[in-house]
Amino acid sequence: AQTVTQSQPEMSVQEAETVTLSCTYDTSESNYYLFWYKQPPSRQMILVIRQEAYKQQNATENRFSVNFQKAAKSFSLKISDSQLGDTAMYFCAFMRHDYKLSFGAGTTVTVRA
Amino acid sequence: GAVVSQHPSWVICKSGTSVKIECRSLDFQATTMFWYRQFPKQSLMLMATSNEGSKATYEQGVEKDKFLINHASLTLSTLTVTSAHPEDSSFYICSAGQPLEAFFGQGTRLTVV
Repeated sequence: AQTVTQSQPEMSVQEAETVTLSCTYDTSESNYYLFWYKQPPSRQMILVIRQEAYKQQNATENRFSVNFQKAAKSFSLKISDSQLGDTAMYFCAFMRHDYKLSFGAGTTVTVRA
Repeated sequence: GAVVSQHPSWVICKSGTSVKIECRSLDFQATTMFWYRQFPKQSLMLMATSNEGSKATYEQGVEKDKFLINHASLTLSTLTVTSAHPEDSSFYICSAGQPLEAFFGQGTRLTVV
């Protein structure tokens, strides 16, 4: 079974600053996909970024980037130049071979003006 | 991106009654959809996988007789909470889409009184 661990329940960051969210996972599979999802107060789940395990290069999407360490089973998310609209709950997720998603407990990010 | 529509957005029902939640893929066909349950400020827990034209598969611990799932067409899956009780009050979310990107409905807040 896959487990996804997010050890930071809450993070606070000043607008325009950078924040890094941690995520570790456990799996016996060799090929898989990792995701970060954002859930704002509207509760609509929004894909932030995706990483394919067979790719060594870290994924980036504008102000969002990941640090993927496959051997350490670590998948952290960095939000640069934080904006007020980034305030949300962030979930790290692991996609199994059957396309089911396992989510971490989530990290609430608050961006302060 | 693709759109998944969930209806209703919120529902209040009396204890002992049944309530149906619909999940539609609006601009693509989905042979598989997933149903999640989310408690306040907690993670998404996968309840079941809805398969078009066949029986749903349920995660361990989920009562299949209480949470009836029907996936009668390539664009519609329904979750019926039967004989609802206050402990069934929760936020229910569906997802569908390509294997490497799940598109989520906006969720349904169920309150059983």
